Parts: sequence; C-alpha cells; structure tokens
Amino acid sequence: SQELEQSPQSLIVQEGKNLTINCTSSKTLYGLYWYKQKYGEGLIFLMMLQKGGEEKSHEKITAKLDEKKQQSSLHITASQPSHAGIYLCGADIGGSYIPTFGRGTSLIVHP
Amino acid sequence: DTAVSQTPKYLVTQMGNDKSIKCEQNLGHDTMYWYKQDSKKFLKIMFSYNNKELIINETVPNRFSPKSPDKAHLNLHINSLELGDSAVYFCASSPDAVGYGYTFGSGTRLTVV
Repeated sequence: SQELEQSPQSLIVQEGKNLTINCTSSKTLYGLYWYKQKYGEGLIFLMMLQKGGEEKSHEKITAKLDEKKQQSSLHITASQPSHAGIYLCGADIGGSYIPTFGRGTSLIVHP
Repeated sequence: DTAVSQTPKYLVTQMGNDKSIKCEQNLGHDTMYWYKQDSKKFLKIMFSYNNKELIINETVPNRFSPKSPDKAHLNLHINSLELGDSAVYFCASSPDAVGYGYTFGSGTRLTVV
C-alpha cells in the first residue's frame, strides 16, 4: 500500500477558483515538503513543513501540516493557469531516512 | 546557475546499449539521489550517496550502477538497456542524508527502442 496518499489524483478547475490538495499518511511525517512539476519539466521545491500545526504561504499557495503530523493540505486561492502542473508531496515517514513521495496530483486550470 | 544539472535531457537508444546519465550539483549538499519516475508519475528512489558513500541502494537491477567521483557528482550508468528502462530519471540533492530541502534536476527522459 502507498505510504503517502495524495488526493485527488487529478483536478480540473476554472481560473479564479480555490482548490485543496491533500497528502495523508498513517505514520508520523518528519518533514513534509511540497513540490510542483510543470509538465515536461523538473520538480520545483515549494515549501517544507516540520512542526505540527505549521502553516506556510508562498504567493497564493498555502500549505499546512496538521497537529498530528500525519496530513498536509495545500490550498491555492484564486487559481491561475500558471498554477497548472503536478503537485507532489514528499516526506520522511516514521523516521526513515528513505524519502517517500506521493503519486502526485495533476492540476489543470482553465482560463 | 542551475543548482542540480542533469545531462542529457533526452536520451534515445537501442536495446542492449550501455549509457550514462550525468548529474552535478553546485549547492554544496552532502547527499545526492537518483529517482526513477514511472509512467504514472510516481517517483521511486534508486540510489542515494552521502559524501561519496552509498547509503541507499534500493532493489534495482545490477545493470544500474551509480558512480560518485566527488560529493558534487552522481552519475548513473546503465548496462544492457531494456525496454522497461524507459522512464524519466531524476537526480536530486539535499543538504544532508535526512533529506529535507530536496532540490531536483530537470530530469532525463530515457527511451529505449
């Protein structure tokens, strides 16, 4: 089974709409990071969360790690076509030094 | 300056050939990784080196051999390429072996025909 579950797998929204992507684990997440991958390009680091309840923002993208450190949500406010791409969460799960990634969420934003 | 650079970006080759993918980082990071991205966009770690020492060696065919001449470089050599090796391979680095603060390269799309 997947240790880091991302949902939804894909998302199509109209420009200007808000959206949320979730990343969930049954184990404690030590360092949860979000990446974005534009289609055909490499992964770009967005932000990292370490403490339970921590919330960070980057432009119109906000990510939060819950108090239990088992779920993170990434929220985009007033989406733009430039937000389109694949959003990937990654984490050090259960103290393991082997990094784990979710499967990614494909986001399409229609003008 | 590109932080983690991979070359080549695209590689098309025939089955049975031997090929290498190069990776260099100028971030001063201690740890470097190779990931394989499958057709479903899922990243799977292949190898990790910390200060030129192999620390992660997942179950991959021994046709894949990483080489780290120094901590800024981690090259991936693949012998006897097979069709199933076709994928996008990502190199990445992080400040230390724990892995926080990954920086990925732009990927190498390998197509075996």
